Amino acid sequence: ETGVTQTPRHLVMGMTNKKSLKCEQHLGHNAMYWYKQSAKKPLELMFVYSLEERVENNSVPSRFSPECPNSSHLFLHLHTLQPEDSALYLCASSQGALLGNSPLHFGNGTRLTVT
Amino acid sequence: GENVEQHPSTLSVQEGDSAVIKCTYSDSASNYFPWYKQELGKGPQLIIDIRSNVGEKKDQRIAVTLNKTAKHFSLHITETQPEDSAVYFCAAPREGNQGGKLIFGQGTELSVKP
Repeated sequence: ETGVTQTPRHLVMGMTNKKSLKCEQHLGHNAMYWYKQSAKKPLELMFVYSLEERVENNSVPSRFSPECPNSSHLFLHLHTLQPEDSALYLCASSQGALLGNSPLHFGNGTRLTVT
Repeated sequence: GENVEQHPSTLSVQEGDSAVIKCTYSDSASNYFPWYKQELGKGPQLIIDIRSNVGEKKDQRIAVTLNKTAKHFSLHITETQPEDSAVYFCAAPREGNQGGKLIFGQGTELSVKP
């Protein structure tokens, strides 16, 4: 149990589908993140939310749309994805996001396959 | 912005041997350096971190050393065991911690052979 729960664990979707990834943290943290992990690449930061406000959008295409309704929940809404978007999507939380010196707590990710 | 280089990309050791993974960073203002372990099918988990006011930190078989002058830090695992097999990532804050987020190295796949 990591304290950060992601659902679903696996998702296969067609390019015309709309789906959402969900993340919930039980650690009382005030910042949440989406990272993309592709084979042979470093983890890529996608979005950061601090106190439910988006503080970073790291040049992510608009087909990815994040939502943070409260400090414990984070969603990533997906539509008209491309096959190259297939990857492991990791959610993380931390206490404090404006300084990059807080440990990140990751969920186990959603393995996304776009067909 | 910060650039984090991690070496080697793969490392194979015999059980009981030591393993060392090195990372270099570019932003001299960075002051927080974590290491994460990612097992198959799981997300990365923090195993140890160090702040720039110390040069070394140890936790049982795991240690991290920091050389701020040379801008590199290393993970040392002693008496390796098969369960140490995983991918290890180093990280450093981007832009010297100001509005900074963690930038990750490329990862090292460690294999400990029994």
